[in-house]
Amino acid sequence: SQKIEQNSEALNIQEGKTATLTCNYTNYSPAYLQWYRQDPGRGPVFLLLIRENEKEKRKERLKVTFDTTLKQSLFHITASQPADSATYLCALDKGYGNKLVFGAGTILRVKS
Amino acid sequence: GAGVSQTPSNKVTEKGKYVELRCDPISGHTALYWYRQSLGQGPEFLIYFQGTGAADDSGLPNDRFFAVRPEGSVSTLKIQRTERGDSAVYLCASSSTSGGYNEQFFGPGTRLTVL
Repeated sequence: SQKIEQNSEALNIQEGKTATLTCNYTNYSPAYLQWYRQDPGRGPVFLLLIRENEKEKRKERLKVTFDTTLKQSLFHITASQPADSATYLCALDKGYGNKLVFGAGTILRVKS
Repeated sequence: GAGVSQTPSNKVTEKGKYVELRCDPISGHTALYWYRQSLGQGPEFLIYFQGTGAADDSGLPNDRFFAVRPEGSVSTLKIQRTERGDSAVYLCASSSTSGGYNEQFFGPGTRLTVL
């Protein structure tokens, strides 16, 4: 069966450190993968998109990698800040139509 | 301009009642999506519109759920004979085009509680 798995436990890190979140998937062949941030009581907010033929994508303090052989994406936040505390969702796009399939998300807590 | 808006923000209803949830997408966005999110889970796809037509309704759980987008802008998600299991946050999203590599802009959601 198809699965998208993210770190099930919350990730607690110290301010200034790099946070690394994992997204693993099985029985999918996504054209691309997206990462979203969600704060309590709010809708998800798009962060980054990476295509199947891209290994890495960066945006400011964010970096995403995509390994289609391992069926895994890693999401990094460098120099983390308490304001980065949120739930981070990975989503697979099945191609045309932009239908997104989301993981359950990982809660990140950055402590000062 | 304004982002995606959804009304109401909260809806409490009794089992068996009919509810309508409204979504106003970003102006000019042709693609509109409905998702449902339960506590501790990611959003779950329900239906996708391209213009006025439902291009993919494969996520609708059963025939009690129906959605329309008559003029290609505002959309309404309709749930008949609500059940307690329908309680969730219903999220709407829009994007400038379908397909390709486009981000989706989400609204704040409507929290539906069925008593």
